[in-house]
Amino acid sequence: TQLLEQSPQFLSIQEGENLTVYCNSSSVFSSLQWYRQEPGEGPVLLVTVVTGGEVKKLKRLTFQFGDARKDSSLHITAAQPGDTGLYLCAGLFAGGTSYGKLTFGQGTILTVHP
Amino acid sequence: DTGVSQDPRHKITKRGQNVTFRCDPISEHNRLYWYRQTLGQGPEFLTYFQNEAQLEKSRLLSDRFSAERPKGSFSTLEIQRTEQGDSAMYLCASSLGWARGSYNEQFFGPGTRLTVL
Repeated sequence: TQLLEQSPQFLSIQEGENLTVYCNSSSVFSSLQWYRQEPGEGPVLLVTVVTGGEVKKLKRLTFQFGDARKDSSLHITAAQPGDTGLYLCAGLFAGGTSYGKLTFGQGTILTVHP
Repeated sequence: DTGVSQDPRHKITKRGQNVTFRCDPISEHNRLYWYRQTLGQGPEFLTYFQNEAQLEKSRLLSDRFSAERPKGSFSTLEIQRTEQGDSAMYLCASSLGWARGSYNEQFFGPGTRLTVL
């Protein structure tokens, strides 16, 4: 069974602080996606990373893919209350016979206090 | 709006009843996925269609669950003889696969929240 571990599970911070969320596996990813989900809604795609060592930026969000394509991180600079939500990493594992199903981490619930 | 749509958004049913959910994917997407999400967890894969063919099913999908995509467009997910353990958010996603420079990015609908009493 290919597992994807996400940490921390909960983050409660003040507006303006920085934070990092981690996503790790013992298996190699073909690609990895980060999503943000609001209560009662479906996940919204933020970014896809596919190349080892890749870094992508989306405003105050920085996404990094590990060189070995087994891990990824999401860093938020100067967090704002509007960043509050559930952040999910989801990987497509290399090899195997899957037709592209995503394996999700447990998610990180981020709360940014004004 | 040309995103993935799901209907209904909420469904409350009594144990033992049958329920059916519908998903309309993004129009040019040939791949369609169903996932289930319980509180405090990430989504878990249930089943996958490429066009009208159901190509993969999770072991989570018991005999009480059936999914169809009759014309390769919309899909339905039916749960027969519902149980309280079926209570969850049922999410549908669609993608282009690896065509046209895509990396099989999956775009999700708003989900159907099922509550079994």
